[in-house]
Amino acid sequence: SQKIEQNSEALNIQEGKTATLTCNYTNYSPAYLQWYRQDPGRGPVFLLLIRENEKEKRKERLKVTFDTTLKQSLFHITASQPADSATYLCALAPIYNQGGKLIFGQGTELSVKP
Amino acid sequence: DAMVIQNPRYQVTQFGKPVTLSCSQTLNHNVMYWYQQKSSQAPKLLFHYYDKDFNNEADTPDNFQSRRPNTSFCFLDIRSPGLGDAAMYLCATSRLLKQGYEQYFGPGTRLTVT
Repeated sequence: SQKIEQNSEALNIQEGKTATLTCNYTNYSPAYLQWYRQDPGRGPVFLLLIRENEKEKRKERLKVTFDTTLKQSLFHITASQPADSATYLCALAPIYNQGGKLIFGQGTELSVKP
Repeated sequence: DAMVIQNPRYQVTQFGKPVTLSCSQTLNHNVMYWYQQKSSQAPKLLFHYYDKDFNNEADTPDNFQSRRPNTSFCFLDIRSPGLGDAAMYLCATSRLLKQGYEQYFGPGTRLTVT
């Protein structure tokens, strides 16, 4: 069956450290993968998109990698800050996908302590 | 500045009493989506509109209907809400581009069924 899995346990790290979140998928052929941030009681906010032929993407303190052999994406936040505390969702867009559908993972909650 | 607006933010309805949630957008995007998200779970796509074309997910209950009278507005109708329909309902939009498409989410409507 098709699955997208993220770390279900919350990730707690110290301010200034690098946070690394994992997204694994099975039985999908993604055209690309996206990462979103969701704060409690709010809608997700788009962060980064990486295509299936790209290995790495960066935006300020954020970095995403995409390994289609391992079927895995890693999301890194460097020099983390308490304001980075939120739930991070990965979402993939399958190939042969009409209407821009995204399949979301359940998210990983990140807590950055001062 | 608000780009995707959802009303109301909080909705309480009685078991079996029809309810309508609304979404509007100022982005002029051609695709609109409705997701259901329960606590600590992935957003689950219910249906989407690609322009006026309606696309229902196979596992979306018949109890859920949608209308898109024009580009800017989309409505989610729940004909006979059950206790299991209590959730956050998220509206999102996107503009399909060849190089990929991020989704813009509204703040969500929290539905309580009593």
